[in-house]
Amino acid sequence: NAGVTQTPKFQVLKTGQSMTLQCAQDMNHEYMSWYRQDPGMGLRLIHYSVGAGITDQGEVPNGYNVSRSTTEDFPLRLLSAAPSQTSVYFCASSGSPGTGGREQYFGPGTRLTVT
Amino acid sequence: QQQVKQSPQSLIVQKGGISIINCAYENTAFDYFPWYQQFPGKGPALLIAIRPDVSEKKEGRFTISFNKSAKQFSLHIMDSQPGDSATYFCAASGLDQGAQKLVFGQGTRLTINP
Repeated sequence: NAGVTQTPKFQVLKTGQSMTLQCAQDMNHEYMSWYRQDPGMGLRLIHYSVGAGITDQGEVPNGYNVSRSTTEDFPLRLLSAAPSQTSVYFCASSGSPGTGGREQYFGPGTRLTVT
Repeated sequence: QQQVKQSPQSLIVQKGGISIINCAYENTAFDYFPWYQQFPGKGPALLIAIRPDVSEKKEGRFTISFNKSAKQFSLHIMDSQPGDSATYFCAASGLDQGAQKLVFGQGTRLTINP
């Protein structure tokens, strides 16, 4: 199993540009999430999904869109990049809490710089 | 608002010593308290986790102590080794708030001197 994969690893954007961060998991997990990591602030939840076709907002959703058309994929879209979105982005997945699946498995991250 | 507060921000420990990182939470609905370990350039990985029905959980050199009444929990690393040098995050979540909505502490950068 590859686990959780993310592409690209690094990206530089100009203010106002849009892009999509890709995330895929091969563990047949129902739950997928996007976090951003900033120095001194830990990881903060952007959006999450409890299954295909179902998404919801996390703590810091502004400026980001998500969709979940398949169990495996959960892309994160930046609509109009701003310097405040410079961060490291992590995708995570986990199984159903009903079966004890509280552990979240994280991808390797995407380092995004917006100039 | 910061629902999980972690301290210290950075910690230096001699090889063989005990590393202690503390976290405090506010939301009494939290029922799952994991600790994640992150090496530079990598994603966080689950180290150990505890539920509030126990006061301590030990896995090898790593122990979580949990104090429900004080709303605090801590990570103890016994016989700390240079390979333990990493950033550690505590986190919390509650089933009633969506089990996937992990709230993280600010992180602690741990350095073990050889």
